[in-house]
Amino acid sequence: DTEVTQTPKHLVMGMTNKKSLKCEQHMGHRAMYWYKQKAKKPPELMFVYSYEKLSINESVPSRFSPECPNSSLLNLHLHALQPEDSALYLCASSQDPVSGNTIYFGEGSWLTVV
Amino acid sequence: AQKITQTQPGMFVQEKEAVTLDCTYDTSDPSYGLFWYKQPSSGEMIFLIYQGSYDQQNATEGRYSLNFQKARKSANLVISASQLGDSAMYFCAMRAGYNQGGKLIFGQGTELSVKP
Repeated sequence: DTEVTQTPKHLVMGMTNKKSLKCEQHMGHRAMYWYKQKAKKPPELMFVYSYEKLSINESVPSRFSPECPNSSLLNLHLHALQPEDSALYLCASSQDPVSGNTIYFGEGSWLTVV
Repeated sequence: AQKITQTQPGMFVQEKEAVTLDCTYDTSDPSYGLFWYKQPSSGEMIFLIYQGSYDQQNATEGRYSLNFQKARKSANLVISASQLGDSAMYFCAMRAGYNQGGKLIFGQGTELSVKP
């Protein structure tokens, strides 16, 4: 089973709202990722968690706040977003953060900021 | 710095024919992984095939095969017997070494359209 589950599939939020995106995997993977993808563009890495610790933050604005409560769960907390933050947010996981391991993605969460 | 280049923004192929999607890469790491993903309009990023830098043989997965030419730094995806359901965006990606945090670096993608 190579499943990464993301909820919600679609989210519409106002610029003053606080919301969260959730990601779950039960493959025993110890590396988890958040990517942001705009239309017709490749995904852009936002955050990497390795063994439940934040290992990479690609200079993401503080209105995006990641959280890894345990090895199976990854959250992305959203606060005071801008319309330009509207995008597809992809969660992914891999056995661990080395080059030989495949990264598996979820179906994504489509975010619209109004 | 690592880089992935896909030079074909869009491709057309007739149903049942084979198609090759081009990918070249650049890295100074001796150890790296190369991946191809398919992304339909629904948004899901579907893993297709993987090639390790030390693998001696080209990877194959069903109708997908990866033409790995290490000296030329190319990792082209070959899809045999195209199907209408193969219409999607295809991304080539490279995973950097451990000291890079295992980041996945994507090319710009190739949009494949399969004609009936």
